[in-house]
Amino acid sequence: SQTIHQWPATLVQPVGSPLSLECTVEGTSNPNLYWYRQAAGRGLQLLFYSVGIGQISSEVPQNLSASRPQDRQFILSSKKLLLSDSGFYLCARRSRTFTGELFFGEGSRLTVL
Amino acid sequence: GENVEQHPSTLSVQEGDSAVIKCTYSDSASNYFPWYKQELGKGPQLIIDIRSNVGEKKDQRIAVTLNKTAKHFSLHITETQPEDSAVYFCAASILDTGFQKLVFGTGTRLLVSP
Repeated sequence: SQTIHQWPATLVQPVGSPLSLECTVEGTSNPNLYWYRQAAGRGLQLLFYSVGIGQISSEVPQNLSASRPQDRQFILSSKKLLLSDSGFYLCARRSRTFTGELFFGEGSRLTVL
Repeated sequence: GENVEQHPSTLSVQEGDSAVIKCTYSDSASNYFPWYKQELGKGPQLIIDIRSNVGEKKDQRIAVTLNKTAKHFSLHITETQPEDSAVYFCAASILDTGFQKLVFGTGTRLLVSP
């Protein structure tokens, strides 16, 4: 199974409030996990990736952080949200095939007001 | 780093017509080019991919072509149907047995009218 669970599905938060988006995956252990953001009218921007527990790499300096406390859990956080953090956040895992297809979750839509 | 450009941003066709979406990439070392389809409110799903050792790949009504010299690749959908309406993303990466980072284009919104 490549099932990816993301929650919450939608979230409306005020500027300055904290954020926690959770992603859990099923299937093989030690997956490569990713957080992407999709802003309105823009493509998929890679935010963070993780190759194992506690191993996080950041692609874009920003107001967000990520953590991987368990093998199949990937969390996206912020201490203080900005308006520009609004978007559709997608968690993904890489398949074990050579080409490494990405399987995406259903996404979490964040609106910061 | 890799940069992927995608055109057009929107594409409207009549049912039964063909649709073509084009992408260019900047890193000549990229050797893997997948296409993803994203339906409204959902995560993207892989529909077809191509590796740099082939120039064309087909899967029923969809095909992808790759021109390594020009560093561009295209998605072709024939006999379009309303259910093909979605946002399509191209991507490029360097295949690696370890971590792989896909760089995505900005997406094309395809609308197929009955």
